[in-house]
Amino acid sequence: DAGVIQSPRHEVTEMGQEVTLRCKPISGHNSLFWYRQTMMRGLELLIYFNNNVPIDDSGMPEDRFSAKMPNASFSTLKIQPSEPRDSAVYFCASSPTNYMNTEAFFGQGTRLTVV
Amino acid sequence: SQQGEEDPQALSIQEGENATMNCSYKTSINNLQWYRQNSGRGLVHLILIRSNEREKHSGRLRVTLDTSKKSSSLLITASRAADTASYFCATDPNSGGYQKVTFGIGTKLQVIP
Repeated sequence: DAGVIQSPRHEVTEMGQEVTLRCKPISGHNSLFWYRQTMMRGLELLIYFNNNVPIDDSGMPEDRFSAKMPNASFSTLKIQPSEPRDSAVYFCASSPTNYMNTEAFFGQGTRLTVV
Repeated sequence: SQQGEEDPQALSIQEGENATMNCSYKTSINNLQWYRQNSGRGLVHLILIRSNEREKHSGRLRVTLDTSKKSSSLLITASRAADTASYFCATDPNSGGYQKVTFGIGTKLQVIP
């Protein structure tokens, strides 16, 4: 398996534009996570899906952020409108079972820069 | 606040020396995991230790868990330049239901050749 695949690897956009980050989890994994990493706040969990259903979105910063998982092999994280403070590295991770009991496999991340 | 907090925040050692990183947490846990992150890359799982375990080994890695002190340590023996990375602990709170796994801010390890 190729692991968790994220696209794009880098994204530079202007403030106010819509940004869509994409993730393909490892086949057979039923848990998917979106994280945001910054120097100031470290690694923050934004949203957790289990069997394509959002279980915990309490980490989503505000209504400008939305995430979907239309099927077991694809998820998106959308920011609209984007702001400079959204600049960060966004990671997607998947896990074969409930994350409480097993390791998570991370993608390479998308480095987002909003200017 | 973060459930897991690593200490020290930065560590610089010579190749061949041992590196010890610590993690403290606040509430009871089901398990604790350690991850490594190389610069510009995603996190890679190293080891998971359950709350009923006290010590676990994997190659040059040794993890201990002291639930009475709510702390864990990661020891890397005979360090190599390739061990240069940031190391994170992640804790899974034991609350009887779903609770998010939280990461600390990490320890940045530099191994000097």
